[in-house]
Amino acid sequence: DIQMTQSPASLSASLEEIVTITCQASQDIGNWLAWYQQKPGKSPQLLIYDATSLADGVPSRFSGSRSGTQYSLKISRLQVEDIGSYYCQQAHSNPYTFGAGTKLELK
Amino acid sequence: EVQLVESGGGLVQPGRSLKLSCAASGFTFSDYNMAWVRQAPKKGLEWVATIIYDGSRTYYRDSVKGRFTISRDNAKSTLYLQMDSLRSEDTATYYCATYYGHFDYWGQGVMVTVSS
Repeated sequence: DIQMTQSPASLSASLEEIVTITCQASQDIGNWLAWYQQKPGKSPQLLIYDATSLADGVPSRFSGSRSGTQYSLKISRLQVEDIGSYYCQQAHSNPYTFGAGTKLELK
Repeated sequence: EVQLVESGGGLVQPGRSLKLSCAASGFTFSDYNMAWVRQAPKKGLEWVATIIYDGSRTYYRDSVKGRFTISRDNAKSTLYLQMDSLRSEDTATYYCATYYGHFDYWGQGVMVTVSS
């Protein structure tokens, strides 16, 4: 199985701050990487797919990038509505594995 | 507007069965691959099973293979998950989702608790 190592596990940041979350894949997955946001008590929502493509309706302050087998999600200017948990997911091969998640809180 | 509404969850004893349903609307259900993803309490996300748009192929994670069956009725725009021989470790919120490599749209989830 492909392992997705996500960091950090938790993060405290201020409004308007730049936030970066990373995922390291255990093997080459190309651009088969997605990011999700899950607000407390809600279902996950797709943010980024194919490593860098923004899903419909997602604010442009979210962006995704790739360097080899390391993937990053960047929030350019943190807003209060961005608080929640974030997960990466590899879509390269079964079983489709998720990172352990990053809990983002306001400082 | 895409809507996915899960139902059928509840409290069940270990070893018993439960069948989840996911009613879809707002899109052409028969054009989409579908999946079930679960989340144990206070834990992360875990893919469970996927079914191709026409029902011709299915895929499962190892821990549910032989116990869970994913199926669909395209005429009713409904996805199912038959869960047999349930274990305590199957306790989770189960989400149905459209699948295209990534999971585009998600339902609100349904809770399944396996306990005696």
